[in-house]
Amino acid sequence: GNSVTQMEGPVTLSEEAFLTINCTYTATGYPSLFWYVQYPGEGLQLLLKATKADDKGSNKGFEATYRKETTSFHLEKGSVQVSDSAVYFCALMNTGFQKLVFGTGTRLLVSP
Amino acid sequence: NAGVTQTPKFQVLKTGQSMTLQCAQDMNHEYMSWYRQDPGMGLRLIHYSVGAGITDQGEVPNGYNVSRSTTEDFPLRLLSAAPSQTSVYFCASSYSKARGGLDTQYFGPGTRLTVL
Repeated sequence: GNSVTQMEGPVTLSEEAFLTINCTYTATGYPSLFWYVQYPGEGLQLLLKATKADDKGSNKGFEATYRKETTSFHLEKGSVQVSDSAVYFCALMNTGFQKLVFGTGTRLLVSP
Repeated sequence: NAGVTQTPKFQVLKTGQSMTLQCAQDMNHEYMSWYRQDPGMGLRLIHYSVGAGITDQGEVPNGYNVSRSTTEDFPLRLLSAAPSQTSVYFCASSYSKARGGLDTQYFGPGTRLTVL
């Protein structure tokens, strides 16, 4: 079946530190991969996505590369800000299917 | 555009009570879905709909009913609430793609439900 595994949080960083949140997946075929972000008290927002192997999604300084050989889609940011504090969800969707499969989420806490 | 709206934001029920969580979108999306979010479990799909009059079960459908009489609305009904249904509920919508799959999903702000 399809599944997503994320690193457990919380991830605690100081402002301007480098961020990596690991995400690996199990899927048949060639899924599309997503990172969603949930700010406190809000719904989820799409942060970035990649639809095929070796694609790099990027947005707001965040990046993730679709690695088929390692079945990974790790989220990175070079310099985090306090405003990046949120819960980050990795997700996949298989071609032809109309369901998103989410990881358990990783909470990021950034201190000044 | 208001996007995806959900009401109420908070709700407390007693075991056995029924209620309907409302979801509406003004983006003319064909696809709508309901998720529940529980600590340590991420988001799990309850029910989804690919268009008016068409609904299907997701990963955790037991205890919930849905219907889709219009493109805009997709209410979620709890017929007899149980403490295990205490959760945060999110509605989402998106366009469907021609060859299957979905475009970007847009989420509502959520409803926090507590069942005593």
